Amino acid sequence: NAGVTQTPKFQVLKTGQSMTLQCAQDMNHEYMSWYRQDPGMGLRLIHYSVGAGITDQGEVPNGYNVSRSTTEDFPLRLLSAAPSQTSVYFCASRWTRTQETQYFGPGTRLLVL
Amino acid sequence: DQQVKQNSPSLSVQEGRISILNCDYTNSMFDYFLWYKKYPAEGPTFLISISSIKDKNEDGRFTVFLNKSAKHLSLHIVPSQPGDSAVYFCAAGPSNYQLIWGAGTKLIIKP
Repeated sequence: NAGVTQTPKFQVLKTGQSMTLQCAQDMNHEYMSWYRQDPGMGLRLIHYSVGAGITDQGEVPNGYNVSRSTTEDFPLRLLSAAPSQTSVYFCASRWTRTQETQYFGPGTRLLVL
Repeated sequence: DQQVKQNSPSLSVQEGRISILNCDYTNSMFDYFLWYKKYPAEGPTFLISISSIKDKNEDGRFTVFLNKSAKHLSLHIVPSQPGDSAVYFCAAGPSNYQLIWGAGTKLIIKP
């Protein structure tokens, strides 16, 4: 099993550009989520999904869109990148929302100039 | 206002000694507490958890202690090993899927 994979590992964007951060898991997990980690702060939940076709907002959803067309994939879209979105982004998955253990991808480091 | 605080950004411990990582929280409604470990260029991995009905949970070399009256939890690693060098995050919340994360403590184990 590859677990949770994320691409790209690193990306530089100019302000106003759009991009999609990819996330995939091969564990057949229902629940997937996106976090961002900023220096000096803990992980903050951006969006989550409890199954294919179902998504919801987390703590810091503004500026991001998600969709979940399959169980495996949960892409995160930045529609118009801003310097405030410079961060490390982690995707995570687990069997269900209430399962204690979640599995994280290696992260995508995003720099917005 | 940070609801979960890890006041030590870094901690250096001699190999073989005890490592104690601390975490404070402000919300008395928090009932679930977890520790995650993170190596560079990897995502966090689950380490150990505790719920508010307990004051201690052990898993091998790792023990988490919870003091609800002080709103404080700690992670003890005994004995510390070089592979324990990592960033440790605590997370707390009213349920195990509604968590607030601390900023992390970087643990360095010296040989």
